[in-house]
Amino acid sequence: GESVGLHLPTLSVQEGDNSIINCAYSNSASDYFIWYKQESGKGPQFIIDIRSNMDKRQGQRVTVLLNKTVKHLSLQIAATQPGDSAVYFCAEISAGGTSYGKLTFGQGTILTVHP
Amino acid sequence: GAVVSQHPSRVICKSGTSVKIECRSLDFQATTMFWYRQFPKQSLMLMATSNEGSKATYEQGVEKDKFLINHASLTLSTLTVTSAHPEDSSFYICSATDPSPTDTQYFGPGTRLTVL
Repeated sequence: GESVGLHLPTLSVQEGDNSIINCAYSNSASDYFIWYKQESGKGPQFIIDIRSNMDKRQGQRVTVLLNKTVKHLSLQIAATQPGDSAVYFCAEISAGGTSYGKLTFGQGTILTVHP
Repeated sequence: GAVVSQHPSRVICKSGTSVKIECRSLDFQATTMFWYRQFPKQSLMLMATSNEGSKATYEQGVEKDKFLINHASLTLSTLTVTSAHPEDSSFYICSATDPSPTDTQYFGPGTRLTVL
């Protein structure tokens, strides 16, 4: 079954702190994972991705960790800024077959950064 | 990065009317476009997959006769909500896949539909 969103969990941090947002995925056949940021009233914006043959990938101020054993993803944001306040979603893509290319979104986390 | 637009950004309509939402890839030809629906404070739920020149593939539970999808060209897909009702009020988001070089999906800004 697909991940269906309920009311989103929240994470509040102080400006300058590091943030860690977690995501559990369900499909062991997924081989590509993406983190998106969604600001209020806007579409999702790509942050960083990782393939299943990696366990860590770093971008600018962001790091994604993948643990395939427990089907867990995390997004780490260093030195969090007020502009990072948004909803963060993980998404997985199936490796092939009729589901090829279809994104399945996790439930999302609301990140609030206090100045 | 690649740009995907949606039009309109907001629409308010009366119950029973139909509403058309356009999704365009502005600087690339999209092999596939996807339509999502998002309720407040919830995640995105995939409604259908749209391929140019062929019928859309709908997710389980999505009524194809109510949510008509037309993918007339490699840069345009439309979603028509037919006989809209208040429960159809939602945020509708499209994405388009740029095949070059890595099948990256780019999202549109979304359309807020309110049915009175």
